[in-house]
Amino acid sequence: GAVVSQHPSRVICKSGTSVKIECRSLDFQATTMFWYRQFPKQSLMLMATSNEGSKATYEQGVEKDKFLINHASLTLSTLTVTSAHPEDSSFYICSATRTGYGTEAFFGQGTRLTVV
Amino acid sequence: AQSVAQPEDQVNVAEGNPLTVKCTYSVSGNPYLFWYVQYPNRGLQFLLKYITGDNLVKGSYGFEAEFNKSQTSFHLKKPSALVSDSALYLCAVSLNTGTASKLTFGTGTRLQVTL
Repeated sequence: GAVVSQHPSRVICKSGTSVKIECRSLDFQATTMFWYRQFPKQSLMLMATSNEGSKATYEQGVEKDKFLINHASLTLSTLTVTSAHPEDSSFYICSATRTGYGTEAFFGQGTRLTVV
Repeated sequence: AQSVAQPEDQVNVAEGNPLTVKCTYSVSGNPYLFWYVQYPNRGLQFLLKYITGDNLVKGSYGFEAEFNKSQTSFHLKKPSALVSDSALYLCAVSLNTGTASKLTFGTGTRLQVTL
C-alpha cells in the first residue's frame, strides 16, 4: 500500500507553453501533498505544501503565479508550470502523507521536464 | 527552523567493505529522521526512519542507521557494500508533532561502490 503515482514521467514542451503534472495517491487518502524540485546532482528543494481544499503554501522564492498548485481531492494534486522557460527545466517530485501516519511521506517517481 | 547537513558530497567504497554516510540535523523539538535513496532519473525510495524507541534502526537492503541525540546525528551504515548500492543518498528531518509537516533534505551524498 501507500503508492504515489506521478504523471507524466517525462515531458518536453516549448517555451511559453504550460505543462501540468499530476500526483495521485493510488490506495490512500493524502492529507497533505508536497511538491519538490531537484536540480541536477542536487538535493530536493521544497516548493510548496498543499492541503486538500485549501490554497497551497509556497516556500520563499517560489513564484505562486508561475507554479500553480491545485489539490482538489484527497487523492490528486496537480502542479502546472505556466509560461515555461528553459530555466524551468528540472526534475519535479511530489510526495503525500497519509491520514493517521503522521509525517511519513510517500514519494512519486518524479517528472523530468525539459523546456526547449 | 530545521536543517540537515550531509558533509560529504561523495563517498567511495570498495565492494564488500563497510560504508558510512554521515548526517547531522538541527530541529527545535523531537525529530523524525529519514534516509532515502535515489537512482538516476528516479523518485525516492524509502530506506529507514527513526521516530522513537531504539536508537539503532534497521531498514531495507541491509542498511541501518543510529540515532545519536547528543551528537544530533543519524549516520547511515551497511556492513558490506554492493556495487548496486551506488546511488544518491538523502537524509531528511521533520519535526515530530504527530501531524504532517514538511521534510527538509540534506544536500545528498553520492555513494560510489567499486569492484
